[in-house]
Amino acid sequence: ILNVEQSPQSLHVQEGDSTNFTCSFPSSNFYALHWYRWETAKSPEALFVMTLNGDGKKKGRISATLNTKEGYSYLYIKGSQPEDSATYLCASMKTSYDKVIFGPGTSLSVIP
Amino acid sequence: NAGVTQTPKFQVLKTGQSMTLQCAQDMNHNSMYWYRQDPGMGLRLIYYSASEGTTDKGEVPNGYNVSRLNKREFSLRLESAAPSQTSVYFCASSGGQGNQPQHFGDGTRLSIL
Repeated sequence: ILNVEQSPQSLHVQEGDSTNFTCSFPSSNFYALHWYRWETAKSPEALFVMTLNGDGKKKGRISATLNTKEGYSYLYIKGSQPEDSATYLCASMKTSYDKVIFGPGTSLSVIP
Repeated sequence: NAGVTQTPKFQVLKTGQSMTLQCAQDMNHNSMYWYRQDPGMGLRLIYYSASEGTTDKGEVPNGYNVSRLNKREFSLRLESAAPSQTSVYFCASSGGQGNQPQHFGDGTRLSIL
């Protein structure tokens, strides 16, 4: 079973601060890395899917990078807003058509 | 614009009872998944189906069975419910191969007494 880890477990930041989280995954047989945003009482919503080493994605104030050789991905949020408060999940897949394994998530609270 | 639809949304069972959670997607996706979400443990994969006619075990398959009825529908069955299966269950689908994002249903909150 793939072991996907995320740090920190939780984070509290002031509105306007920029922040980042880490997702670590086994680098062998890597195929894809997913990031999801999960608001309380809702279902997870996809942010990014990355497959190539060095890949970078951006959606508004949120961006992500991928290093498949060392097995990590960073998610950055620039100028955090209260509506960014959510749990951010990453998930990794080893081969195509294989199962996606989720990390435990990073819970972000943005204080107005 | 339904996406992924799960039924029921809530259910209370007694220990030993059986039930089936239903999931249907209207996005013509090949892959479908069942997860359970427990406090402090994120999403754990129960079973998945990479394509119509195939199913595979995930991280926590014990006590569950699945059926990929057709391309649209993927059901999860608890044959003899146990209190340890109290959880929120999410169904998801994706275009396939893992390089496509997953789309999640709203979840089923299941309590087993």
